Amino acid sequence: GQQVMQIPQYQHVQEGEDFTTYCNSSTTLSNIQWYKQRPGGHPVFLIQLVKSGEVKKQKRLTFQFGEAKKNSSLHITATQTTDVGTYFCAGPGFGSSNTGKLIFGQGTTLQVKP
Amino acid sequence: NAGVTQTPKFQVLKTGQSMTLQCAQDMNHEYMSWYRQDPGMGLRLIHYSVGAGITDQGEVPNGYNVSRSTTEDFPLRLLSAAPSQTSVYFCASSFVGGANYGYTFGSGTRLTVV
Repeated sequence: GQQVMQIPQYQHVQEGEDFTTYCNSSTTLSNIQWYKQRPGGHPVFLIQLVKSGEVKKQKRLTFQFGEAKKNSSLHITATQTTDVGTYFCAGPGFGSSNTGKLIFGQGTTLQVKP
Repeated sequence: NAGVTQTPKFQVLKTGQSMTLQCAQDMNHEYMSWYRQDPGMGLRLIHYSVGAGITDQGEVPNGYNVSRSTTEDFPLRLLSAAPSQTSVYFCASSFVGGANYGYTFGSGTRLTVV
């Protein structure tokens, strides 16, 4: 079945350093979503990418969707302690073009040392 | 606007007991899903629904039942609880399609099966 893999699983950075998490799918995705979960909290939607090669920015966060629509990345510039949490990518389940069946990657947990 | 409401927030069950986790949303979302979250496993899809009267299995459906008689409610039933079902359960809902829409998650139910 479809798999959405994320690397790395954990990342520790010093405040001010950059951070990147990568998401790879075994199948071509019609779109990909990114979520953030703070410790003890629930996932919160960040963004959805739809187009091949798409790049979107939210302040210090940059999201990219690969040309083949099988991979994506989230880059955080100059991390802050408020960036701490687990970042998930998610894509439609195999055979689905809509996000009713949304499959999540394992997530990347970011810790930031002040 | 309450969003996605999950009850109970915490529950302890004995092996073999059954129970229903409640989920309700007041945003008129078509999509609703149940996920379980275990350490290192990310969010795994249990069951999902693309509208009232329509449900389908996700990645880990065994031991769980769902129904969607109304747009607002999507209860998850554990038929005969097992220790392997100890987890955090999240319910989520979303509109159909749209580049800016993602899932809105409830605050979760922390279930322990002893």
